[in-house]
Amino acid sequence: EIVLTQSPGTLSLSPGERATLSCRASQSVSSSYLAWYQQRPGQAPRLLIYGASSRATGIPDRFSGSGSGTDFTLTISRLEPEDFAVYYCQQYGSSPVTFGPGTKVDIK
Amino acid sequence: QVQLQESGPGLVRPSETLSLTCTVSGGSISNYYWRWVRRPPGKRLEWIGYIHYSGSTTYNPSLKSRVTLSVDTSKNQFSLKLSSVTAADTGVYYCARDLPGTSAFDIWGQGTMVTVSS
Repeated sequence: EIVLTQSPGTLSLSPGERATLSCRASQSVSSSYLAWYQQRPGQAPRLLIYGASSRATGIPDRFSGSGSGTDFTLTISRLEPEDFAVYYCQQYGSSPVTFGPGTKVDIK
Repeated sequence: QVQLQESGPGLVRPSETLSLTCTVSGGSISNYYWRWVRRPPGKRLEWIGYIHYSGSTTYNPSLKSRVTLSVDTSKNQFSLKLSSVTAADTGVYYCARDLPGTSAFDIWGQGTMVTVSS
């Protein structure tokens, strides 16, 4: 199965700053079938990005995804207070679907 | 809008069967794929399996021998049974829906904590 690694483990930033999160796969993710989720404490994960770069319905344009093959990036252009949360990547190009361990974005 | 709600016992004895149901409200269960995902404490999310509204299923090979998914379209529900549970099956269990045309999950339930303990 494809193993996903996320870095950094924790990202400490201030509101208004830019966040860059990385997701690396142990082998190439076919057709860029890579998704990103946000999870706030006590809530379910929320789909942000699918297909590596397509924003899900209702997701603000400050969230963007890029990458292909084994290296993917989620960028939050200007952090809003509600963006401080944990972010997970998921690959769905190969079975079984697998998830990364998460990157926590907290307030500096 | 479509919402998912997991229900079932929060405590299961070792060697017994864990049973959970996901109720779909605000929309139809038809024409979609539906998933179960779990997170053991301190570990990453793990996909358990999926079921199509028609009843076809696919399971994670790591759990395949112990998992059964089923769907009841008349009740707008789908269910998970995990047999011969151990403490390693403790965790938060989520149901989710596939974004059509992908295997990204666009709608999730809130999750339910299941503890395996005697």
